[in-house]
Amino acid sequence: EIVLTQSPATLSLSPGERATLSCRASQSVSSYLAWYQQKPGQAPRLLIYDASNRATGIPARFSGSGSKTDFTLTISSLEPEDFAVYYCQQRSNWPFALTFGGGTKVEIK
Amino acid sequence: QVHLVESGGGVVQPGRSLRLSCAASGFTFSSYGMHWVRQAPGKGLEWVTVTWYDGSNTYYADSVKGRFTISRDNSKNTLYLQMNSLRAEDTAVYYCARDLRPPYSSTSILDNWGQGTLVTVSS
Repeated sequence: EIVLTQSPATLSLSPGERATLSCRASQSVSSYLAWYQQKPGQAPRLLIYDASNRATGIPARFSGSGSKTDFTLTISSLEPEDFAVYYCQQRSNWPFALTFGGGTKVEIK
Repeated sequence: QVHLVESGGGVVQPGRSLRLSCAASGFTFSSYGMHWVRQAPGKGLEWVTVTWYDGSNTYYADSVKGRFTISRDNSKNTLYLQMNSLRAEDTAVYYCARDLRPPYSSTSILDNWGQGTLVTVSS
């Protein structure tokens, strides 16, 4: 089973600052990694898929990079609505299973 | 637009059963794989199960295998999760989510999620 480890657990930043979130896989997932944003009381929302492709309607300040085992989600300049929890996700085929990272909470400093 | 609405959650005693539903609209339901993902209070996301677009294949997390059953009725645009032998650790918000990618692809991308339904297992 592939394990996804996200760091840091919490990121304390101010609006306008740059946020850099990390997701590390225990073995290569090629470029098949997705990122989701979740705000309190809401369902997760797809941000990035295949490591670097923004989902429909996602602002350009969100970008993803990386491949194999190391991935990064960058928010270039934090807006007030970006303070939330972010999860990475991948799928294994043998056995079939989706796994999520433990999440990174981006909080207002 | 895509709309997913879960229902059927509630409080249930340990060992009892519950069936969740997810009503889909705004897209061709029969063309997409569908997942259930859960989130225990204050915790992260945990994948539960998936069904292929036609129900021909299903997979489960080890934590629910043998107790939960996913199914779908494409004529009613509805996804189900039958949960038996419930345990306290099954307490969570349960989300249904659409898989953007076809089943033979190398990954799953959950591009639309419902608002979730809360299941509480307690005596």
